Amino acid sequence: GQQLNQSPQSMFIQEGEDVSMNCTSSSIFNTWLWYKQEPGEGPVLLIALYKAGELTSNGRLTAQFGITRKDSFLNISASIPSDVGIYFCAGFLSGNTPLVFGKGTRLSVIA
Amino acid sequence: GAGVSQSPSNKVTEKGKDVELRCDPISGHTALYWYRQSLGQGLEFLIYFQGNSAPDKSGLPSDRFSAERTGGSVSTLTIQRTQQEDSAVYLCASSQGTYNEQFFGPGTRLTVL
Repeated sequence: GQQLNQSPQSMFIQEGEDVSMNCTSSSIFNTWLWYKQEPGEGPVLLIALYKAGELTSNGRLTAQFGITRKDSFLNISASIPSDVGIYFCAGFLSGNTPLVFGKGTRLSVIA
Repeated sequence: GAGVSQSPSNKVTEKGKDVELRCDPISGHTALYWYRQSLGQGLEFLIYFQGNSAPDKSGLPSDRFSAERTGGSVSTLTIQRTQQEDSAVYLCASSQGTYNEQFFGPGTRLTVL
């Protein structure tokens, strides 16, 4: 159906390492969004992608909208302790449907 | 500028009682969404409002759940006869339109004893 498959479910990394997570779907999306949720807070928008193939950076974050419009990845370079949280991908399908969310990737950073 | 606000931040209630959760969206945002997030889980869509259109209630888990949006601004999510499985964080989000990025509030943590 309209499900977003997000992987990995969780990650434990050392401070300073790079991180990569991705979302895939069998459906074509018009827009991809990446959110971060810290404990006790609501999700905060990190990056928005609007065009197939688009590569966008926001500080140490880089995200790309897949050419097929069915996937997206998020990379975090040189991770730091404050990167801890749950990262959600989300996307808009064509047609009159609200935003679809992945189940999240839980990131833990070991200092 | 002010973001999305929600109240209360925490609510503890007894099984069987009714609860009301409030969301104040960003001024000028026409779309408003409610989600439920169980501990350590993803976001479960509940309901969304867009302008004056009929709300999309397709995500409401039972008829004990209802929501209103008055004057195109503030929204209230009501859960009647609460059950223990209703315990979760209830998140509200708003956007300028259905196809724009959603901005989230901090959530209301509901605990049903």
